[in-house]
This record gives sequence, C-alpha cells and structure tokens, in this order.
Amino acid sequence: QKEVEQDPGPLSVPEGAIVSLNCTYSNSAFQYFMWYRQYSRKGPELLMYTYSSGNKEDGRFTAQVDKSSKYISLFIRDSQPSDSATYLCAMSDTGRRALTFGSGTRLQVQP
Amino acid sequence: DVKVTQSSRYLVKRTGEKVFLECVQDMDHENMFWYRQDPGLGLRLIYFSYDVKMKEKGDIPEGYSVSREKKERFSLILESASTNQTSMYLCASSSPDRETQYFGPGTRLLVL
Repeated sequence: QKEVEQDPGPLSVPEGAIVSLNCTYSNSAFQYFMWYRQYSRKGPELLMYTYSSGNKEDGRFTAQVDKSSKYISLFIRDSQPSDSATYLCAMSDTGRRALTFGSGTRLQVQP
Repeated sequence: DVKVTQSSRYLVKRTGEKVFLECVQDMDHENMFWYRQDPGLGLRLIYFSYDVKMKEKGDIPEGYSVSREKKERFSLILESASTNQTSMYLCASSSPDRETQYFGPGTRLLVL
C-alpha cells in the first residue's frame, strides 16, 4: 500500500465548476502538506502549503487538512481552462527533509 | 523568485552510456533533491543533499549516484544507463527551515 493515495483521474469539469481534489495518507507523522500544480512537460509549481490541520485559502483555492481522518483536499472555485493540469499532493514529517508525493490527479476544465 | 534550472530539457542516450544531469539553484538553498517521475507512480526520490559534499539515499537510489561540490549545483549521474531509466527527472531545492520545495523544469531522458 502506498503511503499517499491519490485518484489519477482524469477529472473533467465544465468551466466555472467547483473542483475537489483529494489525497489520503497512512503516516500519522506527516505534519506539512502541500499541493503542487504541474502543467504538461513542465516541473511542479507550489500552489498551497499548510501546516497541521485546518483550512487555508488563497484566491480561488482552498486547502483543507483533516489529520484525524488522514485526508487532505484542494478546492478550486470558478474553475478555468487554465487550471487544466496535474495536481500533486505532497507531505512530510518533521524529521525528514524530503517530501512524499501522491501520484497526481489530472484535471481538465472544459470551456 | 526561486529559480532552479536543469542543464537539458531532453536527452537521448544509448544503453551503457554514462549520463550526467545538472541542476543549479540561485536561492542559496542548503537542500537539493533529485526525483524521477513516471506515469502512475508519481515522484519518487532518488537522492538528496542537505549540504555541500553531503548526500543521502532516497527511495530508489539503485543505478544512480550524485555529486554536490558547490552549494548551488547538484548533479545526478547514471553510471551505465539502462532502458528502465527512461523517465522524467526533476530537481528541486529548499531551505532547511521550510518543507516547501521548488522544482526545475525537468529533463526527459530516453535511453535506447
């Protein structure tokens, strides 16, 4: 079983829809949670960063962490065709400098 | 803005060749990482370095080595390339007090 599970998609939604992307994990030591966006043939870019449980909002993006359920989410409001990309969740514990990634969810926003 | 650059966007090599992938960051970050990315498997850590001349194995170090002679530069070496090393290779860097990593554009390596 992978440490981080993420549905690969593809997830196809119409423009303007609310998108929900999710990851589950098994390692209760994870404290730091990130979402990266990766456009085709590019490197991942950091989208959201959250420490421990709770919500964080940045424009149209909201990240949620529920440590009791070992479940994290990324919500995208008013989705745009430019949001079409692969979204990777990543996490780490306090003792390890490297990140553990999910396999990524491919999102397609149809105009 | 953090900038991480990788020496090549695309590389084609023959089985058995020695391959060097170079990564340079301009933010004076102590930590640097090499990942490979394959469909359905996500990013897997090959090696990382938290200081000059220091290195640690990641999850899949077999067939790879690394070199960090200067703080800004981290090299990944495939001693004898094999077809199963065909992949996208991503370099990243971070500062020691932050978990967030910044990635380069990646190198697509094809081993024939």
